[in-house]
Amino acid sequence: DIQMTQTPSSMPASLGERVTISCRASQGISNYLNWYQQKPDGTIKPLIYYTSNLQSGVPSRFSGSGSGTDYSLTISSLEPEDFAMYYCQQYDSSPWTFGGGTKLEL
Amino acid sequence: EVKLVESGGGLVQRGRSLKLSCAASGFSFNDYWMGWVRQAPGKGLEWIGEINQDSSTINYSPSLKDKFTISRDNVQNTLYLQMSRLGSADTAIFYCVRAANYYSSYIFDYWGQGVLVTVSS
Repeated sequence: DIQMTQTPSSMPASLGERVTISCRASQGISNYLNWYQQKPDGTIKPLIYYTSNLQSGVPSRFSGSGSGTDYSLTISSLEPEDFAMYYCQQYDSSPWTFGGGTKLEL
Repeated sequence: EVKLVESGGGLVQRGRSLKLSCAASGFSFNDYWMGWVRQAPGKGLEWIGEINQDSSTINYSPSLKDKFTISRDNVQNTLYLQMSRLGSADTAIFYCVRAANYYSSYIFDYWGQGVLVTVSS
């Protein structure tokens, strides 16, 4: 199985701040990398697919980049609703695997 | 509006079986791969498996395939997860997901609200 490692596991941040979350795969995943957001009530929604493509309806302050084994999610200017958990997920090789998550805290 | 509504969770004794359902609406159910993801309390997300449109292909996480069985009913627009020999490690919230698969993309684009399964000893 491909292991996905997210850093940091938690991150204090402030409104308006630019933040970047990292995700490293145990082997190259050819940009087959998604990002999801989970709110405290458990609601999960997709943010980005295939490394850098914004899912419909996702604000443009979210962006993704990366290649090979290293990927990142950037939020350019934090809004109150962005304080949540974030997960990366690879779909290069089954079983699809998720990172351990990053908690963005105010 | 796309909706995925899980049901069938609750408290179950260790070693017993349980079957979850996911009622889908707001889209053409038989056009999509569907799947299940779980999340143990305070932990991350774990992919369980997926099923294609006509049930001819079902993929599981190797570590879970002997415990879970995924099926679907395209007439009832319902996805199922049969769970057997449940243990305490199976206590989790179980999410039903729709998989959008096109070009280079494969993403779980809709998630249910989740259903809690608690395995008691």
